[in-house]
Order: sequence, then C-alpha cells, then structure tokens
Amino acid sequence: GQQVMQIPQYQHVQEGEDFTTYCNSSTTLSNIQWYKQRPGGHPVFLIQLVKSGEVKKQKRLTFQFGEAKKNSSLHITATQTTDVGTYFCAGPASGTYKYIFGTGTRLKVLA
Amino acid sequence: EAGVAQSPRYKIIEKRQSVAFWCNPISGHATLYWYQQILGQGPKLLIQFQNNGVVDDSQLPKDRFSAERLKGVDSTLKIQPAKLEDSAVYLCASRQGDTQYFGPGTRLTVL
Repeated sequence: GQQVMQIPQYQHVQEGEDFTTYCNSSTTLSNIQWYKQRPGGHPVFLIQLVKSGEVKKQKRLTFQFGEAKKNSSLHITATQTTDVGTYFCAGPASGTYKYIFGTGTRLKVLA
Repeated sequence: EAGVAQSPRYKIIEKRQSVAFWCNPISGHATLYWYQQILGQGPKLLIQFQNNGVVDDSQLPKDRFSAERLKGVDSTLKIQPAKLEDSAVYLCASRQGDTQYFGPGTRLTVL
C-alpha cells in the first residue's frame, strides 16, 4: 500500500537556526498537505500544495512540492520556541480523500 | 465557529471491556473521519463517512471496532472488546473543501 515517510524523525535546533523536514511518498500524489501538532494537542492544518514544483510561503515557513509530485519539504527560517511540535505531511490515496499521514518530524527548539 | 467536539477526553479501561467515543463535527461538514494515533506515530485512518454513509473502512478492525454516523451529523466509534494494543488517541476530523479540522481527541488507555 501507499506509504509516506518523513525525515528526520527528530530534530533539535537552537532558537534562531533553520529547520527542514522532508516528506517522500511511494506513489505520485494529486496534492500534499502539511499539519502541525503541538505536544499534547491535535493536528492543525497548515497548507495544501497541488501543482508540480509549487512553492508557498507562510511567514517563516516555506513549503515545496516536488516536480514529480512524490516528495515535499517544509523549511522554517529562524526557528522560535513557538515552532515546537511534530510536523506531518499527508497525501491522499489515488482518487480519494483518504489521507495517508507521514511518520512525522518532531521539532524541539532550544532557547 | 465552534470546532470539532469529542468526548470523553480520557478513558481508562481494562482489556476485554468495551468503550465508546463520541464526535460532533463542525456544522455543515459532510465528511467525517476517525483516526487512531499511537504514541510517536502519525494518525492512521480508521473510517471515513460522507453524510451518514461509509466511504472507506478498509483499515477498521471490524471484528472489534464499529462506527456509525446516524443522521449524518454526530458519530460514535466503539471498541468491543478492547485489547492492550488499542491504547492510543482517537481523533475525529471533519472536512470542508480540502481542509481537515481535527478535534482534541480521546486518549484511551487499556490496562
């Protein structure tokens, strides 16, 4: 079945450093979504990318969808303590709204 | 706008007991999902409803799990009998457009 993997599994950074998480799907995706889950919280939708090579920015966050639509990345510039949490990507099974979530990257920001 | 409501927030039971979770989605959202999130993993889809009909339940362990969404609004997820490996957070989400909105989840501990 379809698998969505993320690397790294964990990342500790000093406040102010940059952070990147990578997402790879075993199949081509029609779109990809990113979620943030704070410790003890629930996933919160961040963004959806649809087009091949698409790049979107939200303040310090930059999201990219690969040309082959099988991979994606999330880059955070100058991390802050408020960025702490686990970041998940999620892609739909072909032709459905059934989303397969990635394994997640847990970010810890040291002040 | 009220978010997705879930209850109870926490539940502790012994193995072989039964348990039920309740979800009230955001008003007007036709699509409702139940996910299981084991500690340290991404959410895993159990079942997807469109109004009161099941769209996908391929990953629902039907020998012990059941779910219903009568009248296309509230939904309940039941586990009977529970096993130790069912310990997880059970998340409900509703969707409008491409965005999924998650509830706070029910943390189940099976002893």
